[in-house]
Amino acid sequence: SQQGEEDPQALSIQEGENATMNCSYKTSINNLQWYRQNSGRGLVHLILIRSNEREKHSGRLRVTLDTSKKSSSLLITASRAADTASYFCATEETSGSRLTFGEGTQLTVNP
Amino acid sequence: EAGVVQSPRYKIIEKKQPVAFWCNPISGHNTLYWYRQNLGQGPELLIRYENEEAVDDSQLPKDRFSAERLKGVDSTLKIQPAELGDSAVYLCASRRSTGRPNTIYFGEGSWLTVV
Repeated sequence: SQQGEEDPQALSIQEGENATMNCSYKTSINNLQWYRQNSGRGLVHLILIRSNEREKHSGRLRVTLDTSKKSSSLLITASRAADTASYFCATEETSGSRLTFGEGTQLTVNP
Repeated sequence: EAGVVQSPRYKIIEKKQPVAFWCNPISGHNTLYWYRQNLGQGPELLIRYENEEAVDDSQLPKDRFSAERLKGVDSTLKIQPAELGDSAVYLCASRRSTGRPNTIYFGEGSWLTVV
């Protein structure tokens, strides 16, 4: 079963623009994580935000978390063609260590 | 440090045949996951191990799927017999179980095509 739902399903932008992806979830969580997956490859961990945090930065990535709305957003600033990939949010529930993924957003950055 | 290693990377089999996937987690990682990812979708958990114990296998289709992690290190996921709908990528992941939250590291996946 899928916990998170990403929005949009697909996003196409020009190099240098910012990309914003949103994630909504249903249950109480310990943390929310964002992963990246290049075509034909495994998932790579990008950033983790704990349930008591509201915002976190890592390089060109900015993640926000609103536990009252059960939603998170991932912002990639100054995008590059190499950022083209699928991005998934995943929630780790308070009830255990299960990590549940959303359906993902396919980001295409055009050079 | 070596990452999570999976084999085979690609497998094509006929329906009703058996298939097995192998995973070697990162050294020292107690927790091991098997996920299945269908095309265009997010990964779905099949089973989670803490050392050699399967602590979450509620989404593993036990009629045809089995998994083992006998010595708490390597793990094998088996499908017997395979069905057309089993075509997917099977992802193995691992993490340290202490000092959470810890990053989960994924392997490159085993791509299964059932014909």
